[in-house]
Amino acid sequence: QVQLQQWGAGLLKPSETLSLTCAVYVGTFNDYYWSWIRQPPGKGLEWIGEINHSGSTNHNPSLKSRVTISVDTSKNQFSLKLTSVTAADTAVYYCARANPERRSMMDVWGKGTTVTVSS
Amino acid sequence: QSVLTQPPSVSAAPGQKVTISCSGSSSNIGNNYISWYQQLPGTAPKLLIYENDKRFSGIPDRFSGSKSGTSATLGITGLQTGDEADYYCGTWDSSLSGVVFGGGTKLTVL
Repeated sequence: QVQLQQWGAGLLKPSETLSLTCAVYVGTFNDYYWSWIRQPPGKGLEWIGEINHSGSTNHNPSLKSRVTISVDTSKNQFSLKLTSVTAADTAVYYCARANPERRSMMDVWGKGTTVTVSS
Repeated sequence: QSVLTQPPSVSAAPGQKVTISCSGSSSNIGNNYISWYQQLPGTAPKLLIYENDKRFSGIPDRFSGSKSGTSATLGITGLQTGDEADYYCGTWDSSLSGVVFGGGTKLTVL
């Protein structure tokens, strides 16, 4: 069954804002951190950032100025916004559940959303 | 350039054993737990190992993890063709206040 369901626009033009949402159907929402990770074509994983139920966030310093991660506890959802996208932001974007004490321990992942930035 | 360093590729024959290394520093591996992930082609990463050496639920004991100082190792014994995948190490980096991953290692089972 679906545990993390993610969605958002898959094709963007340069300078537009990427917007993705992940709905949580597994576990107790307030017990975890919720992460975004991306993977450019043919490349490795890059952690974008995380949020918990109270809105506490951490971000990858290389993306911090363009990233906003938010949470809606009433819907058990969290979202990612990445502004001023370029071709370098083309990637598969994943949402994942992270252990609050071991934040690199991500035991549930969404299926991924392919985002392409092209004029 | 990834914060954690992994070999780009490793290979071994079916039934054999392979190890994948992951090297970091005191701000990440040296003082934080490491996790290992398997990513089969076209799929999301899957958690294999957490807290350096603990197998996640459902992961066979052919997979093992260890850590020493600022390096960690994933071991896979009794290799199967189904183990062909990309493997990633990941940990918290206290200086960056975030999760960092290795560049990934492609395992080929010859």
